[in-house]
Amino acid sequence: QSVLTQPPSASGTPGQRVTISCSGSSSNIGSNTVNWYQQLPGTAPKLLIYSNNQRPSGVPDRFSGSKSGTSASLAISGLQSEDEADYYCAAWDDSLSGLVFGGGTKLTVL
Amino acid sequence: EVQLVESGGGLVQPGGSLRLSCAASGFTFRSRWMHWVRQAPGKGLVWVSRITSDGSSTSYADSVKGRFTISRDNAKNTLYLQMNSLRAEDTAVYYCAEWDLGWGQGTLVTVSS
Repeated sequence: QSVLTQPPSASGTPGQRVTISCSGSSSNIGSNTVNWYQQLPGTAPKLLIYSNNQRPSGVPDRFSGSKSGTSASLAISGLQSEDEADYYCAAWDDSLSGLVFGGGTKLTVL
Repeated sequence: EVQLVESGGGLVQPGGSLRLSCAASGFTFRSRWMHWVRQAPGKGLVWVSRITSDGSSTSYADSVKGRFTISRDNAKNTLYLQMNSLRAEDTAVYYCAEWDLGWGQGTLVTVSS
């Protein structure tokens, strides 16, 4: 059981916009920044969004993040087949004094 | 370019020990907190441990507390994870990570007799 809650799956067709939600609590998302990671099959997680809505160099602007209260979301616009991957949200948890992750969302491009 | 390269994984028997290393480059290692995160086969990401930039403070997940020790050598730009009393449930790919900069490619630890 993950501390952060994500839907286990999401899907969309090429060109569509998809959003993935991440729900937490006051001790994690409510008081700290959220990162998002993309994990392509058989590879290491890649930092996709940091500090709620910042993109590292090289990440397309099709990817965007937002946070409100104790929830966060990742939006992917102009969906492409290469976006098919697992997506994880993460935040520091003040009560646990550690990082907490969502269970991951498997994105399928139909 | 930020680079984190883990090493030291392998096959170890239950009760055994391993020391993982993570060589960092492309950023000011000595000024950043660092983490270890693991992923069991087919499972999600689980935080293991973190260390402050100067190494003065550490914290651990309950599942590894008392068995694992995180440390760092800022002169060598290297992060470590000493893993003792290993159990089958510690089998996973172990990643070193900097929260806002990125992760390494991981090193596989398999605990089995």
